Amino acid sequence: DSGVTQTPKHLITATGQRVTLRCSPRSGDLSVYWYQQSLDQGLQFLIQYYNGEERAKGNILERFSAQQFPDLHSELNLSSLELGDSALYFCASSVGLAGDEQYFGPGTRLTVT
Amino acid sequence: AQSVAQPEDQVNVAEGNPLTVKCTYSVSGNPYLFWYVQYPNRGLQFLLKYITGDNLVKGSYGFEAEFNKSQTSFHLKKPSALVSDSALYFCAVRDRRNQGGKLIFGQGTELSVKP
Repeated sequence: DSGVTQTPKHLITATGQRVTLRCSPRSGDLSVYWYQQSLDQGLQFLIQYYNGEERAKGNILERFSAQQFPDLHSELNLSSLELGDSALYFCASSVGLAGDEQYFGPGTRLTVT
Repeated sequence: AQSVAQPEDQVNVAEGNPLTVKCTYSVSGNPYLFWYVQYPNRGLQFLLKYITGDNLVKGSYGFEAEFNKSQTSFHLKKPSALVSDSALYFCAVRDRRNQGGKLIFGQGTELSVKP
């Protein structure tokens, strides 16, 4: 158990809908990262927050947004969902920025029908 | 462009034999290097990292990795494989110049250890 929690574990929704994925980092970790894992794209970095502020952005679609709250938990919002958004979404956390290993949650499996 | 390559989709090893999972990278400067393992229906677990110093890094579960700057490689090794090592292994790099912690992952290598 990495100490990173993600809810829900599974999510099935229809195209065009909006969902919110939630992540609680390990105690003491200030950085939260979101990754998408799919068969065709592999593991792709989406976005990183550090102590409430956005620090790095990857190949995140405009339909997707995220935020980190004062208690350091994070939410990833996915809107206008398409079939191609079906994937595993991982949250990871680390203490800081420089060279720290990231600890991954169990993931949320999103299925868009 | 920054990239990580794991040239083998699958590696098959007999239990008790040494194993190597290969990784090469293309990142400017001296990146941070990581290995993660993913078991079915689980998140990624951190195995080891290279930041600086000794080119041979020791990690969890008896794994080690060798950093080779001239060959831009960071191969994962274990002297004696176990059946329980069977899993999906990912190499990842982080550009040291970036303030953020973005990891770039390889496509993964499926390790199968047979009794």
